[in-house]
Amino acid sequence: AQTVTQSQPEMSVQEAETVTLSCTYDTSESDYYLFWYKQPPSRQMILVIRQEAYKQQNATENRFSVNFQKAAKSFSLKISDSQLGDAAMYFCAYRSNNFGNEKLTFGTGTRLTIIP
Amino acid sequence: DAGVTQSPTHLIKTRGQHVTLRCSPISGHKSVSWYQQVLGQGPQFIFQYYEKEERGRGNFPDRFSARQFPNYSSELNVNALLLGDSALYLCASSLGPNLNTDTQYFGPGTRLTVL
Repeated sequence: AQTVTQSQPEMSVQEAETVTLSCTYDTSESDYYLFWYKQPPSRQMILVIRQEAYKQQNATENRFSVNFQKAAKSFSLKISDSQLGDAAMYFCAYRSNNFGNEKLTFGTGTRLTIIP
Repeated sequence: DAGVTQSPTHLIKTRGQHVTLRCSPISGHKSVSWYQQVLGQGPQFIFQYYEKEERGRGNFPDRFSARQFPNYSSELNVNALLLGDSALYLCASSLGPNLNTDTQYFGPGTRLTVL
């Protein structure tokens, strides 16, 4: 079974600075997807960024980028120019690429605080 | 376009009762998944339905059941409620199990409290 580990329960960063959230995963599969979701106090889970394992290029979405190291099974999220609205719980998630299986396996989350 | 909607927003039940939670997917989405998120933890997968058929089931007891309707909306039913069932229940929808496009989008959740 796949597992996802987020070893940083809490992180904080000064507004406008850069922060990196860590995620490692364990799988025997070679083809899969990885996601970062953001969950603000409103509890709505919002997709931040997604990475296909077969793509070597790291995904980027505006101020958000990932460092995907497939051999090391590492998938970190970098947030540049942090803003107050980035404050939230961040969850790393894994999905197998088996047809018909959309199960997401989540980590335990990292609470990100933005310091004004 | 409307996102994933869930009802009710909050619910309070007592032990032993039954509860039904509802989810409407994004228009055009045919796959619905349910997750349970206990306070302080990441969501745990309960079920996935696609085209009214169960496509995946997580490690939950038989007290949990679900179904999907012809309009792709879905219900999650929990019987004989236990205190441990208190959680945020999240619904997510996607286009379907297409290998390249099926990102899941989440609804706002239903907060269930069992007393």
